[in-house]
Amino acid sequence: AQSVTQPDARVTVSEGASLQLRCKYSYSGTPYLFWYVQYPRQGLQLLLKYYSGDPVVQGVNGFEAEFIKSNSSFHLRKASVHWSDSAVYFCAVSAFSGGSNYKLTFGKGTLLTVTP
Amino acid sequence: EAAVTQSPRSKVAVTGGKVTLSCHQTNNHDYMYWYRQDTGHGLRLIHYSYVADSTEKGDIPDGYKASRPSQENFSLILELASLSQTAVYFCASSYWGGDTLYFGAGTRLSVL
Repeated sequence: AQSVTQPDARVTVSEGASLQLRCKYSYSGTPYLFWYVQYPRQGLQLLLKYYSGDPVVQGVNGFEAEFIKSNSSFHLRKASVHWSDSAVYFCAVSAFSGGSNYKLTFGKGTLLTVTP
Repeated sequence: EAAVTQSPRSKVAVTGGKVTLSCHQTNNHDYMYWYRQDTGHGLRLIHYSYVADSTEKGDIPDGYKASRPSQENFSLILELASLSQTAVYFCASSYWGGDTLYFGAGTRLSVL
């Protein structure tokens, strides 16, 4: 069975600072990897995803993530955060589970607060 | 614009009552999902469906039923609502099982 760990429940950074949100997964093969963002009172929206190829993937609003297979990690990064980036960020792992089915597992999320 | 629409957006129910949450998608997606969000637990899958008239159990199906009468519509039914089912519920759709999920805005359910 797969699992996802986001070790930081809360992260606070100053506006303009760089950001890294950590995500580690457990799965025997190479899964599909996602980062979603949830703004207050809204559903989740996709930031970026990795299926294969270049391990560094670019997403919306200047976010990027790097898949490091040897470390089973998929950390999210941004060079300079803006106050509007304050939200909850979820890492998710999708893996084939038989037939035509995939199992998607979410981490518990990291609440990002950007301070002025 | 393609979208996932949930109704109602919020609901207060009494313990032991029946609750139906509805979801409608215009994405032309085969897969639809119901998730529950609780503080500290992230999102947990309740039921999903990949074809009309068929539903599958997710990770926490107990106390919930699902219905998929058409490709566009997917309902979550709480036959006997309990206090522990107070949560925010999200519906989502995807083109295939490993694809991006598109979420609705959520339904905030309070069971009293």
